[in-house]
Amino acid sequence: AQSVAQPEDQVNVAEGNPLTVKCTYSVSGNPYLFWYVQYPNRGLQFLLKYITGDNLVKGSYGFEAEFNKSQTSFHLKKPSALVSDSALYFCAVRDKGSSNTGKLIFGQGTTLQVKP
Amino acid sequence: DTAVSQTPKYLVTQMGNDKSIKCEQNLGHDTMYWYKQDSKKFLKIMFSYNNKELIINETVPNRFSPKSPDKAHLNLHINSLELGDSAVYFCASSEIPGTSGSETQYFGPGTRLLVL
Repeated sequence: AQSVAQPEDQVNVAEGNPLTVKCTYSVSGNPYLFWYVQYPNRGLQFLLKYITGDNLVKGSYGFEAEFNKSQTSFHLKKPSALVSDSALYFCAVRDKGSSNTGKLIFGQGTTLQVKP
Repeated sequence: DTAVSQTPKYLVTQMGNDKSIKCEQNLGHDTMYWYKQDSKKFLKIMFSYNNKELIINETVPNRFSPKSPDKAHLNLHINSLELGDSAVYFCASSEIPGTSGSETQYFGPGTRLLVL
């Protein structure tokens, strides 16, 4: 069964410092991986995805993620954090167990706190 | 223009009542989903529809009945509401899931349901 894990409940970063939000996955075959962000009392916003190709994927708001097949990881990164990046971040994997349902399996979420 | 919209945004009701949540997307997508986010922020898929046809039903109690009058709408009706139904319900849409896995799901703002 496909699964995704976010090992940190919360990440604290000072504004201007680089940030990393970790995600590891377990899938059979090639993974389709996604990052979403949820601001307080808002819906999920798509940040970026990895389907195939370059291991470094660039997304919205200056975020990027690095796909590492050997470590089964897809960590979210940003070179310089902003206070406005403070939010709840979800990693997700597309379920390939059943044929093409599009079902996303989400990690438990990581709260990013960026302090001025 | 709102891509995926949900009404109502907030819903407070008594146990035993029946309620509906509406979802509409103007992205021209053929597939729509319902996800539930519990009090610990965990997200899990409930249903998905392709062109008004039910594709996923994730062992959700039959008190929950999705209805898709057309491919732009997916409503969620809940009978005999229970305390445990309190959660945030998100609607999402995407292109039809295919073998490329590249389709992105776009989420609505959520409906916060509180059952008293």
